Amino acid sequence: DGGITQSPKYLFRKEGQNVTLSCEQNLNHDAMYWYRQDPGQGLRLIYYSQIVNDFQKGDIAEGYSVSREKKESFPLTVTSAQKNPTAFYLCASSPMEGGLNIQYFGAGTRLSVL
Amino acid sequence: GQNIDQPTEMTATEGAIVQINCTYQTSGFNGLFWYQQHAGEAPTFLSYNVLDGLEEKGRFSSFLSRSKGYSYLPLKELQMKDSASYLCAVSRAGGGNKLTFGTGTQLKVEL
Repeated sequence: DGGITQSPKYLFRKEGQNVTLSCEQNLNHDAMYWYRQDPGQGLRLIYYSQIVNDFQKGDIAEGYSVSREKKESFPLTVTSAQKNPTAFYLCASSPMEGGLNIQYFGAGTRLSVL
Repeated sequence: GQNIDQPTEMTATEGAIVQINCTYQTSGFNGLFWYQQHAGEAPTFLSYNVLDGLEEKGRFSSFLSRSKGYSYLPLKELQMKDSASYLCAVSRAGGGNKLTFGTGTQLKVEL
């Protein structure tokens, strides 16, 4: 089945620790995105990548890092510099064809601080 | 910049018709998307508009007026499973296929 897989579903971070959230897609999409969702707020874009080995900061990139070494994978690291990491993290992918492209989402990772 | 407004909550009765509204102000506009999100789950795509008018897509249609910065999602014959958050998102001009999301409208369908 084609889709986007995020793991783990739940993740706990200790003070001062970096944690990495996994996102894998087998839809052959060129573009991938990371969003953060907090209660009462819309999804906010953290980072996005349109092509392998290239990525750009979104609206709230501070305290996060990403890599795009393979087309299928776009892991997100939440660093210790992110002081308020508790949130629901969503990964999405889309084709990069002409016109408007639909973003498809994974099931999300819920990150909490111990 | 981008600003997207949606009502926070709506309640409706099973079998009824509702309309979820979204207004936006944006410096660049490529199109507008609607997603449905059940609690704790991934958003799923419903519909999108690039041009003005009603876009009919099975059970989920959506309307856009670019001159008014306004879109709505009409939901007919409501079912209990339609209880969810409905997210409006504007596709930004300038490349990257980036979306700006509203805070979502939580719809509760009652018997």
